[in-house]
Amino acid sequence: KAGVTQTPRYLIKTRGQQVTLSCSPISGHRSVSWYQQTPGQGLQFLFEYFSETQRNKGNFPGRFSGRQFSNSRSEMNVSTLELGDSALYLCASSWDSVNTEAFFGQGTRLTVV
Amino acid sequence: GENVEQHPSTLSVQEGDSAVIKCTYSDSASNYFPWYKQELGKRPQLIIDIRSNVGEKKDQRIAVTLNKTAKHFSLHITETQPEDSAVYFCAAGGWGQGGKLIFGQGTELSVKP
Repeated sequence: KAGVTQTPRYLIKTRGQQVTLSCSPISGHRSVSWYQQTPGQGLQFLFEYFSETQRNKGNFPGRFSGRQFSNSRSEMNVSTLELGDSALYLCASSWDSVNTEAFFGQGTRLTVV
Repeated sequence: GENVEQHPSTLSVQEGDSAVIKCTYSDSASNYFPWYKQELGKRPQLIIDIRSNVGEKKDQRIAVTLNKTAKHFSLHITETQPEDSAVYFCAAGGWGQGGKLIFGQGTELSVKP
């Protein structure tokens, strides 16, 4: 069974640009969550999608958005990039959105210069 | 707001000793408490989880205890080995929170041979 796949693995962008990250969950999983990981802030919840609906959202500005497709694949978009957006972006998939084991992808390392 | 505090931030033990990491959560609605291990440059991986209807759970050298009244949960690793060296994260989630997990800041465990 294939694991959670995130693409691309590494990305370098310039301030002001926008970026789209992709996450393919484990087959059969309907929930996809996104997290931002930085050395100073740890793992912070961005949002969660279940059956194409955003079920929950963290405390991030509106520049951060996401969506989920009918095949459960998810994308997150960050517009007007700032230096502080440099981080490892992790997605996690689970069978259901509530109290079931979440499996993480390898992450996308975003560097904003 | 929702918060998970994790202590200590760093922990160094001798091989064969036990290690204990403690977490405190604020949201009384939380009822799912996973622990993740993240090795350098790798994705977080679930090592054990516990639900609020259980006070303790063991899996070989790893155990987790939960005190819902005090809103505390702890990870215990016995007979530590050098390969246990990693960053460990506790998290809290629950019904009504969807796939949202609130993570602690992490504990860097170093096991010295």
